[in-house]
Formats: sequence, C-alpha cells, structure tokens
Amino acid sequence: IAGITQAPTSQILAAGRRMTLRCTQDMRHNAMYWYRQDLGLGLRLIHYSNTAGTTGKGEVPDGYSVSRANTDDFPLTLASAVPSQTSVYFCASTERGGGADTQYFGPGTRLTVL
Amino acid sequence: GQNIDQPTEMTATEGAIVQINCTYQTSGFNGLFWYQQHAGEAPTFLSYNVLDGLEEKGRFSSFLSRSKGYSYLLLKELQMKDSASYLCAVRDSNYQLIWGAGTKLIIKP
Repeated sequence: IAGITQAPTSQILAAGRRMTLRCTQDMRHNAMYWYRQDLGLGLRLIHYSNTAGTTGKGEVPDGYSVSRANTDDFPLTLASAVPSQTSVYFCASTERGGGADTQYFGPGTRLTVL
Repeated sequence: GQNIDQPTEMTATEGAIVQINCTYQTSGFNGLFWYQQHAGEAPTFLSYNVLDGLEEKGRFSSFLSRSKGYSYLLLKELQMKDSASYLCAVRDSNYQLIWGAGTKLIIKP
C-alpha cells in the first residue's frame, strides 16, 4: 500500500457503544491528524500527534481519545458514542509536525450514531 | 475569532474560466492552501501560497494578498472532472490549519 488507509469505510453504531476508527500510513510521516467533516462546516481538528509517543488536542476533542504507539498507526476511539458524533472522519499525515507541510488524507470513515 | 469565508456553491460552463474566492481572518498567517475534494472522497492538495502573488500550476492558479486577507483559485479550461468542492485553509501563527467550509463547483456542459 502507499499512503493512508482507514477502517472501517463506514459504520452504523448504537449510541453508548465504544468504537475505534483505525488509521495506518506507510509514508513514515512524523505527524498525524484526525478531522471530522460535517455538512456546511470546514474540517475540524479532533486530535493530532506530531511524533510517535505524543498527542495533542485539537478544536473538538471532547468524547474522543487517541494514541500513537508507533509511527504508522493513529487510532481514534469514541468511548461512548453519541448521535452528534455522526460525521465523516478523515485521518491525515504530514512529513513533519507543527503543521508545516502539505497534508495527505485517508479515504475517510463515514460514521452514523443512532 | 478565526474565520475563513468562501462561497457555498458556484456554477460554471465546461471550457470556461472560474474564480473561487477565499477571505480570511486568522491569528497570524503562515501560508494558505487550496485542496480539491470530489464527492465522497478525501481532500487532495492543489496549491500553496505564502507570499503575495500568483502561483500557476497548469490549468490551476492561486493568488494571495496578505494585506487584504484574500486569496482566489482560478481554474481555466474547465472540464467536467473539475466538478468538486474546493477547500481553502490557512495556517495560523500556531501552525494550526483553519479550514473554510468549501465551495462546491458545478460544471455544466
């Protein structure tokens, strides 16, 4: 593979359930990001990681958690899903941290919380 | 607060030229990006401006005026495949990307 993969492609989830969205990149990029995209709104940053072992909060972090155990993987967990978390989720990466570079995006996960 | 404004939707004719505007008010400025996003797909990088002026890349050009907080994306010789949303994003003083809501461009034959 070349680039960023996300799984699942789509998911319907009952409110209150726990869900982990997976993101893997094979470009050896240092920084990774999770965004949500909602109709009529710009991409909003949930969490980011400038390098393996570190994470930070973005604009809308509440209800979400992330981990960065290694360079390639950056999973996003919803501990107890709520309907307002219905959205399209994009994972992205940049070669360096600090937002200095062009972002490369994964294909997205469409999540519906009922 | 930080804000990026783009028109919600534009319509143009195949073979024509269209200009998509973006105005921004951010805490500092460290560059402006344009991304293209086809329906149901991920955004892909189009252009980057950090200095005033025009950057040309094939049929696409992007212009920046930092003093006016203004950019535009110019698409020439429009093709049906250019039907997509175009996202403007500004990198602020903290190197965080602030995204506009995007402009949906509809190309008609």
